Amino acid sequence: DSGVTQTPKHLITATGQRVTLRCSPRSGDLSVYWYQQSLDQGLQFLIQYYNGEERAKGNILERFSAQQFPDLHSELNLSSLELGDSALYFCASSTGGSQETQYFGPGTRLLVL
Amino acid sequence: AQKVTQAQTEISVVEKEDVTLDCVYETRDTTYYLFWYKQPPSGELVFLIRRNSFDEQNEISGRYSWNFQKSTSSFNFTITASQVVDSAVYFCALSDYKLSFGAGTTVTVRA
Repeated sequence: DSGVTQTPKHLITATGQRVTLRCSPRSGDLSVYWYQQSLDQGLQFLIQYYNGEERAKGNILERFSAQQFPDLHSELNLSSLELGDSALYFCASSTGGSQETQYFGPGTRLLVL
Repeated sequence: AQKVTQAQTEISVVEKEDVTLDCVYETRDTTYYLFWYKQPPSGELVFLIRRNSFDEQNEISGRYSWNFQKSTSSFNFTITASQVVDSAVYFCALSDYKLSFGAGTTVTVRA
């Protein structure tokens, strides 16, 4: 158990819908990262937050957004969902910058029908 | 741009054999960190090892060992005396402001 929690574990929804994925980092970690894992793209970095502020952005679509709250939990919002958004979404946390070890949550498996 | 290449797609071994996973990386940074993660069939990503670019000393931790060679930009990982529980996808990753992952190598250990 990495200490990072993610909810829900599984999510099935329809195209055009909006979903919210939630992540709680390990105790003491200030950075939260979101990654998408799909068969065709592999593991892709989406976005990083550090202590409530956006720190870095990767291949995140405009339909996706995230935030980190004062209690350091984070949410990833996916809207206008398409079939291609079906993937495993991971949250990771670290004490500070991305060169620290990132510990991953169990992931949320999203299926868009 | 950062790039990580894991040329081996799949490796299949019999229990107790050693398994070596290759990883080659590209970066313009002089300071960087390399990682290995394991993704078992259950799906979670498990941290295995982290190495910084200034420390080329190779180490052994239990059944795991790694060989970091800056001159060839390689960071290979070996599982000694493999066990069925080692069956998983193994990812090599390189960090700058994010982790850049390789495509992964699927290791199957047969009893």
